[in-house]
Amino acid sequence: DGGITQSPKYLFRKEGQNVTLSCEQNLNHDAMYWYRQDPGQGLRLIYYSQIVNDFQKGDIAEGYSVSREKKESFPLTVTSAQKNPTAFYLCASIPGNRNQPQHFGDGTRLSIL
Amino acid sequence: GQNIDQPTEMTATEGAIVQINCTYQTSGFNGLFWYQQHAGEAPTFLSYNVLDGLEEKGRFSSFLSRSKGYSYLLLKELQMKDSASYLCAVRDGNTDKLIFGTGTRLQVFP
Repeated sequence: DGGITQSPKYLFRKEGQNVTLSCEQNLNHDAMYWYRQDPGQGLRLIYYSQIVNDFQKGDIAEGYSVSREKKESFPLTVTSAQKNPTAFYLCASIPGNRNQPQHFGDGTRLSIL
Repeated sequence: GQNIDQPTEMTATEGAIVQINCTYQTSGFNGLFWYQQHAGEAPTFLSYNVLDGLEEKGRFSSFLSRSKGYSYLLLKELQMKDSASYLCAVRDGNTDKLIFGTGTRLQVFP
């Protein structure tokens, strides 16, 4: 079945550690997005990529990094510079027709040890 | 600036009708989406409006007025499983980014 797979479902980070969240899609979608959601809040855009080997900062990119070496994959690294990383992270993708809704992965919940 | 406003919380009774409002101000407009999100889960798509008027899909309907920067989601024949957060999101016509509101948490009581 086609879809978006995020892993892991739960992740714990130690102080000073970088961690990478995986996002893979087999929908052949061009654009991919990373969002952060804090309790009782909406989704805030971290980074997005509209084509392979290209990506743009969203509204809260500081402390995060991404890569888009393959169309199917858009991993997000939460660096040690992100001082408050505890949140629910959602990956989404969209086909070339922008009138279509975003498809979301099941999310990764990141906590600090 | 960009701003999307929704009520924070609403309550309703099983079998009733509820209307969730969303007002927006964006530098450009290229469509409005409604998503449902249960606690701890990813959002799921409910509806899309790009032209003025009402879109009906089963128990759920969504309305858009571009001149007023206003949309609402109407839920009929409420069921307990409709207890969730409802997110309004606007696609900015200039940047193509999807801007989300903070969501409306709906609780349905028996």
